[in-house]
Amino acid sequence: DAGVIQSPRHEVTEMGQEVTLRCKPISGHNSLFWYRQTMMRGLELLIYFNNNVPIDDSGMPEDRFSAKMPNASFSTLKIQPSEPRDSAVYFCASSLTGTGVSEQFFGPGTRLTVL
Amino acid sequence: AQTVTQSQPEMSVQEAETVTLSCTYDTSESDYYLFWYKQPPSRQMILVIRQEAYKQQSATENRFSVNFQKAAKSFSLKISDSQLGDAAMYFCAYRGYNDMRFGAGTRLTVKP
Repeated sequence: DAGVIQSPRHEVTEMGQEVTLRCKPISGHNSLFWYRQTMMRGLELLIYFNNNVPIDDSGMPEDRFSAKMPNASFSTLKIQPSEPRDSAVYFCASSLTGTGVSEQFFGPGTRLTVL
Repeated sequence: AQTVTQSQPEMSVQEAETVTLSCTYDTSESDYYLFWYKQPPSRQMILVIRQEAYKQQSATENRFSVNFQKAAKSFSLKISDSQLGDAAMYFCAYRGYNDMRFGAGTRLTVKP
């Protein structure tokens, strides 16, 4: 298995531009998580999907952030318009949630720099 | 919201020695899961060990073991026979019914 796939690995953009981060979870996993990691705030859960349905988006910073999961094999995190304070590493993770809970498998992350 | 506290921002250990990283959490749930993740400089998050709250016995995975104290809401990680490759950030994590929280992390340095 290829693991969780994220693209791009690095993104540099200018303030005000739209940014779209992509994630392909591990096949068969039914839960998907988006995280943001910064030195100041550590690892923050942004949003969590279960069976393609958003369960908890309380971590999404503001309306500039949106996430979608149109099918079980693809999710996007969009920032529009982007700001310098959005610079961070964004991780996607997936897991199998059923009668029990499996660990989350993380993607390699996308390092976003907003100038 | 559940909180996860790692009180040691940095720790160091001599190669081949043992080190313990602390983690406490706050929850009102009775059924949950706890994890320790390792993040080396490559920034890839790697699962080290997991613990189901309903299990009284603390988990062990080779050189890694936890001391799970449910009543005290404590979940410390012990690394035995430390190796240079163990140097990384270590994150304690809590997974509840609809919640996933990480601690701030502990940076572990291994001295040769």
